[in-house]
Amino acid sequence: GQQLNQSPQSMFIQEGEDVSMNCTSSSIFNTWLWYKQDPGEGPVLLIALYKAGELTSNGRLTAQFGITRKDSFLNISASIPSDVGIYFCAGYPGGPGNTGKLIFGQGTTLQVKP
Amino acid sequence: EADIYQTPRYLVIGTGKKITLECSQTMGHDKMYWYQQDPGMELHLIHYSYGVNSTEKGDLSSESTVSRIRTEHFPLTLESARPSHTSQYLCASSEVGGRAEEQYFGPGTRLTVT
Repeated sequence: GQQLNQSPQSMFIQEGEDVSMNCTSSSIFNTWLWYKQDPGEGPVLLIALYKAGELTSNGRLTAQFGITRKDSFLNISASIPSDVGIYFCAGYPGGPGNTGKLIFGQGTTLQVKP
Repeated sequence: EADIYQTPRYLVIGTGKKITLECSQTMGHDKMYWYQQDPGMELHLIHYSYGVNSTEKGDLSSESTVSRIRTEHFPLTLESARPSHTSQYLCASSEVGGRAEEQYFGPGTRLTVT
């Protein structure tokens, strides 16, 4: 089945630093979504990407839909303690592998040291 | 305010008990989903519904069952809980058409079976 490889698995950074994480696949995707999950809560949608090459920002967050349609990245600028959490990429596969179901990456756990 | 609700938030129950996890949404979405997630791990789809009287099994085999009698309500039932059912259960919904790819999650139910 379709799989997303998300990296890094975890990050421990200093407050104020920029953060970058990405998701890759061997198959093409039609849509990329980025979620953040706080401990004990459900994931919250941060950014949705619909077109190859699309670059979208949401405050200090910027995400891009890779031009090959096989990857996406999320950047967080000037991190703050409340950025702590697990970030998940998710996508809808394209082509013959399209099952109409959202595929999730394994998550990136972010810790920020004040 | 349009939202998605899950009750209970936390449940500790003994082996063999029947339980129902509630999920309701006021966003007018036709599509609803149940995911299972172990702490800090990726999400696995266990059930989904594209509308009233429509239910399908997801990618991860589950002993739970679901029903969709009303658009806004998508309860999940375990007839006989076992320790292996201990996990977090997340409900989500999305619209049909438009931004159908964007799934919105409830806060989750953390189930512990002793």
